[in-house]
Amino acid sequence: GAGVSQTPSNKVTEKGKYVELRCDPISGHTALYWYRQSLGQGPEFLIYFQGTGAADDSGLPNDRFFAVRPEGSVSTLKIQRTERGDSAVYLCASSQQSGIGGQFFGPGTRLTVL
Amino acid sequence: RKEVEQDPGPFNVPEGATVAFNCTYSNSASQSFFWYRQDCRKEPKLLMSVYSSGNEDGRFTAQLNRASQYISLLIRDSKLSDSATYLCVVNTNRDDKIIFGKGTRLHILP
Repeated sequence: GAGVSQTPSNKVTEKGKYVELRCDPISGHTALYWYRQSLGQGPEFLIYFQGTGAADDSGLPNDRFFAVRPEGSVSTLKIQRTERGDSAVYLCASSQQSGIGGQFFGPGTRLTVL
Repeated sequence: RKEVEQDPGPFNVPEGATVAFNCTYSNSASQSFFWYRQDCRKEPKLLMSVYSSGNEDGRFTAQLNRASQYISLLIRDSKLSDSATYLCVVNTNRDDKIIFGKGTRLHILP
């Protein structure tokens, strides 16, 4: 069956630009998570959706970051006025319920801000 | 104290040996625990859940010690293909907060 997919796989942008990263979770999974991971670090939690609503957005580093999941399936992470420090791999994961049974990750989007 | 702590390693272990590493967590309300494996430049993959009674999956054994607030992963008869970073994950189900450790790097040597 289809796993979690993320697009694009790589994104190179210039400082100050706006980017959107997309995540398609496993069909039927109600919980969706966004993380970012820098080299040598574990995934850093950004935001968690249960259905359409953001149940926990405490990990978003500042108001340049925003995520939506309007129909409870696909999610988009939006970053405004990108900075070089935003460069990382952005990982999306989904699970059947809130983390119970473990999460399944997509391959990630590698974002490079020049 | 960090919420989830792991020894970053690397652990350099000869093929066929047994290796174990721990992960400590600070929130006593934590309820779900997992080990993930992450290969270089790949996404994390669920290795196994960790139950109070402990669980075993082939060469892998995971255990939970609630009193001391740590979980462990034991790998027996290690293979070259076990080389990876092992991430500890703790979930406080009450607020659905999921925390990853920074991972322990394991190198199995031929």
